[in-house]
Amino acid sequence: DTAVSQTPKYLVTQMGNDKSIKCEQNLGHDTMYWYKQDSKKFLKIMFSYNNKELIINETVPNRFSPKSPDKAHLNLHINSLELGDSAVYFCASSQGISGQIIGNTIYFGEGSWLTVV
Amino acid sequence: TQLLEQSPQFLSIQEGENLTVYCNSSSVFSSLQWYRQEPGEGPVLLVTVVTGGEVKKLKRLTFQFGDARKDSSLHITAAQPGDTGLYLCAGRSNSGYALNFGKGTSLLVTP
Repeated sequence: DTAVSQTPKYLVTQMGNDKSIKCEQNLGHDTMYWYKQDSKKFLKIMFSYNNKELIINETVPNRFSPKSPDKAHLNLHINSLELGDSAVYFCASSQGISGQIIGNTIYFGEGSWLTVV
Repeated sequence: TQLLEQSPQFLSIQEGENLTVYCNSSSVFSSLQWYRQEPGEGPVLLVTVVTGGEVKKLKRLTFQFGDARKDSSLHITAAQPGDTGLYLCAGRSNSGYALNFGKGTSLLVTP
């Protein structure tokens, strides 16, 4: 059973298109995240939701819009895709807010490889 | 944003060798975590260190948290090809809401 699952795993699309990545967790966690990993493997937080409420919104272009219909789902919609958006996007979840609970574990999905051409 | 610097960035060694990976910051962390990411997968937690000077062992992996809680190290004894992967350290952000990750150390262990 996959704890954090995200779809699609691979996505190739043209500049200017709009695309979505879906994420679901079956761990019963109340906090979910989107991280972006660039070509140099740097993993950076983008957004975080706790019980469907946005708690982290890092410096991300407003073309990126997260949506959490319930605490088990956090989707990422990207408008007007640009070449620089090419990266691996990781969904993750934790019980409670990761940074506030010492030792709290973040569980990551397998990643969605986005290539913009 | 509290920055975590990892070194070396890349490491290629032969099976059986020992190695140490470092994670340094100018900030004090309440805890640090180490994750390993294998190709095509997401990061997986290896260990959490909380107390300054703490040492934790996980089979051939030894993790240490600096006395001042600003740095950490990961030592692998007798590396095996299965140890190949990206090793990431992570510490709590200033906001307290998320973990910030270092840029990682890519380890390749060849038979």
